[in-house]
Amino acid sequence: NAGVTQTPKFRVLKTGQSMTLLCAQDMNHEYMYWYRQDPGMGLRLIHYSVGEGTTAKGEVPDGYNVSRLKKQNFLLGLESAAPSQTSVYFCAIGGGEVTGEQFFGPGTRLTVL
Amino acid sequence: GQNIDQPTEMTATEGAIVQINCTYQTSGFNGLFWYQQHAGEAPTFLSYNVLDGLEEKGRFSSFLSRSKGYSYLLLKELQMKDSASYLCAVVDSNYQLIWGAGTKLIIKP
Repeated sequence: NAGVTQTPKFRVLKTGQSMTLLCAQDMNHEYMYWYRQDPGMGLRLIHYSVGEGTTAKGEVPDGYNVSRLKKQNFLLGLESAAPSQTSVYFCAIGGGEVTGEQFFGPGTRLTVL
Repeated sequence: GQNIDQPTEMTATEGAIVQINCTYQTSGFNGLFWYQQHAGEAPTFLSYNVLDGLEEKGRFSSFLSRSKGYSYLLLKELQMKDSASYLCAVVDSNYQLIWGAGTKLIIKP
């Protein structure tokens, strides 16, 4: 039972390159989230999903796209990376109207040069 | 706008008690979480308050006053492993978590 996994763990991109971050869960939660965490700032919600086939924008969605084709996977895409997207990205599951806790993946450290 | 305030950094001594405060102004309130985050790791759940009062869980306690928009996390018998950032997060009217920037707690021997 791995809980929440994220791949890759680290990545360095050049400006303009694209990449996809994968979040996978084995806890059967409906709700999944993508956050970014920057020094001196709270976690900021990028996009989230309330179930398979659904996605919604969070606080900072610009420059990112997401897909939830399977319940257990939530993908975050950067089509044309920018240095402002250098951050630590966390996937989380759980929460929602049940207001249960959110469980976090280990994070992906992304640097855009 | 929505706002969560917590001190940026606090220092305490091993074996002592420390209180980390969190004040909030949000659109609606459906509960408040405290998470612990060690450097380079993911946040992990510590406590959840939705009603006023004190919730105790071992060495950690969390207090909530909804009328004052205020919560605190109390850590007793501090250990070196408690050195971490402590994140306050409020569940707003849309059941989204609004996060504070976190309080970095430094424990000295």
